[in-house]
Amino acid sequence: EAGVTQSPTHLIKTRGQQATLRCSPISGHTSVYWYQQALGLGLQFLLWYDEGEERNRGNFPPRFSGRQFPNYSSELNVNALELEDSALYLCASSISPTGLDTQYFGPGTRLTVL
Amino acid sequence: GQQLNQSPQSMFIQEGEDVSMNCTSSSIFNTWLWYKQDPGEGPVLLIALYKAGELTSNGRLTAQFGITRKDSFLNISASIPSDVGIYFCADTGTASKLTFGTGTRLQVTL
Repeated sequence: EAGVTQSPTHLIKTRGQQATLRCSPISGHTSVYWYQQALGLGLQFLLWYDEGEERNRGNFPPRFSGRQFPNYSSELNVNALELEDSALYLCASSISPTGLDTQYFGPGTRLTVL
Repeated sequence: GQQLNQSPQSMFIQEGEDVSMNCTSSSIFNTWLWYKQDPGEGPVLLIALYKAGELTSNGRLTAQFGITRKDSFLNISASIPSDVGIYFCADTGTASKLTFGTGTRLQVTL
């Protein structure tokens, strides 16, 4: 069974541009979570989608947004990129939003903002 | 919001040694999760703890949920080179989001 996949692996943008990151959950999983991991820091919760709806978001500005498609895959969009947005962005999925111990993570997308 | 403090931040140990790391919280937890992140990978769940005082093992790993519900420790016995990585504690918090600690970076010398 395929795990959580993310694309692209690496993304290089310049300040002010927009970035789009993609995530495909494990088959059968309906919840998708996004986390930001800046260099040297722990993971910070960004967004949670379940059944196509945004259920919760972390303490990030509105230029971080996303959506979940009918097939449960998800996009994370970051507008007006700033240098401090450079980080590893991790996507996780779970079979349901109540299975909190079963969030499976993808390998991440490393975003570099120049 | 709640904060998770992990210690030590990093450690070098020799192969075969036992390792101990811990995590403390500013508030009471309902669940303690321990993850390991290898370089270039996403975190992988190692152990989940659900009750105060619970002691759980997974191979060479042992973790305990503190009685006060504000701390947890993770022990690794007889470390091997593949134990290298960053270990995170996490709490489920509220509304299905995980709150992660700052991590303990483990490096093993041969």
